Amino acid sequence: DAGVIQSPRHEVTEMGQEVTLRCKPISGHNSLFWYRQTMMRGLELLIYFNNNVPIDDSGMPEDRFSAKMPNASFSTLKIQPSEPRDSAVYFCASRGRTTPTGELFFGEGSRLTVL
Amino acid sequence: KNEVEQSPQNLTAQEGEFITINCSYSVGISALHWLQQHPGGGIVSLFMLSSGKKKHGRLIATINIQEKHSSLHITASHPRDSAVYICAAIDDKIIFGKGTRLHILP
Repeated sequence: DAGVIQSPRHEVTEMGQEVTLRCKPISGHNSLFWYRQTMMRGLELLIYFNNNVPIDDSGMPEDRFSAKMPNASFSTLKIQPSEPRDSAVYFCASRGRTTPTGELFFGEGSRLTVL
Repeated sequence: KNEVEQSPQNLTAQEGEFITINCSYSVGISALHWLQQHPGGGIVSLFMLSSGKKKHGRLIATINIQEKHSSLHITASHPRDSAVYICAAIDDKIIFGKGTRLHILP
């Protein structure tokens, strides 16, 4: 299995630009999580989906952030407009029906720098 | 107070030493997850446990549900064990500790 695939791995953009991060979960996994990691705050849950439905988006910082999961094999996290304080590593993780204990499998992350 | 607390925040030890990293949580959980993040940034699952003890190679994880506490032990530590170790409380949500940065000196 290819694991959780994220793109882009690195993005540098200017303040005000739209940023779209993409995630392909492991095939057959029914839960998908978006996290943000910064030095100051560590790993923070932004939003998670079960069966493509957003369950809890209370971690999404503000209206500039949005996430979609149009099907079981694809999710996006969008920031519009981006700000320098959004600079972080964004991780996507998936969890499957066959792992009732909830083991997470992480993508390699997307490092975002907003200038 | 954070719902998941790890200690120590930073740990430097000599190669060969026995390492213990602690995780205390205040929320209800269905399982506790130990993760390892290497300097390159990738995150790898080490253990998922809901009771007792699990062992994999030189790594041992224990959990005490009544005390809401888990420990990760590394025996015969090696410089390649240098990484950030993160515990996460698993239920409907997943709440992470801030991580313990471990540095093993040769």
